[in-house]
Amino acid sequence: QVHLVQSGAEVKQPGSSVKVSCKASGGTFSSISWVRQAPGQGLEWMGAITPIFAVTHYAPNFQGRLTVTADKYTNTAYMQLSILTSGDTAVYYCARDAYCSSSSCYQYFDSWGQGTLVTVSS
Amino acid sequence: EVVLTQSPGTLSLSPGERATLTCRASPSVYSTYLAWYQQKPGQAPRLLIYDAATRANGIPDRFSGSGSGTDFTLTITWLEPEDFAVYYCQQYGTSPYTFGQGTKLEIK
Repeated sequence: QVHLVQSGAEVKQPGSSVKVSCKASGGTFSSISWVRQAPGQGLEWMGAITPIFAVTHYAPNFQGRLTVTADKYTNTAYMQLSILTSGDTAVYYCARDAYCSSSSCYQYFDSWGQGTLVTVSS
Repeated sequence: EVVLTQSPGTLSLSPGERATLTCRASPSVYSTYLAWYQQKPGQAPRLLIYDAATRANGIPDRFSGSGSGTDFTLTITWLEPEDFAVYYCQQYGTSPYTFGQGTKLEIK
């Protein structure tokens, strides 16, 4: 079973950027998504990276502000969100896409990181 | 965007009872690409069901899923104390991959 370990909590100023890492151990990942959860709220899929197909895609809500990357040599994925506002205060999760066929991956998630709290405050 | 609406918002039941949670999609979910997750306070979600009706590894058989198109159901046949949590449905057939707002299952 792949185990995902994320970087620690961050406090950021409005207008700045944050970069969160997600390292896989006990295996590799074919595809990783990022999901966030605002305090007391539900889950929101942000985007995904599929290194085996060299593909990234993003939810429209985050297009232009979100960059998802991956380093296959270190089995680490990264999520960078820019132009932060207080509305971006949330726990950010990385999650492994559970199944990949020979041509695509399916964005449901069988392993999750522990979450990284990002607080945006002046 | 596929909007998922879960009902009820809160379900109050006792251990040993049966729980039925619903998830309605608009427009319909492509194929049966719908998953269910359980989330407890301070924890990441846990995958329960995928492809609408397939239990994930290690999930007890008291959890079952059904449905297609616009109407999906998660059933827990015999509630155990550890089942009281928030449950989310998620569709992964059409990007962006959306979640329902959640159903809180609480002890009565």
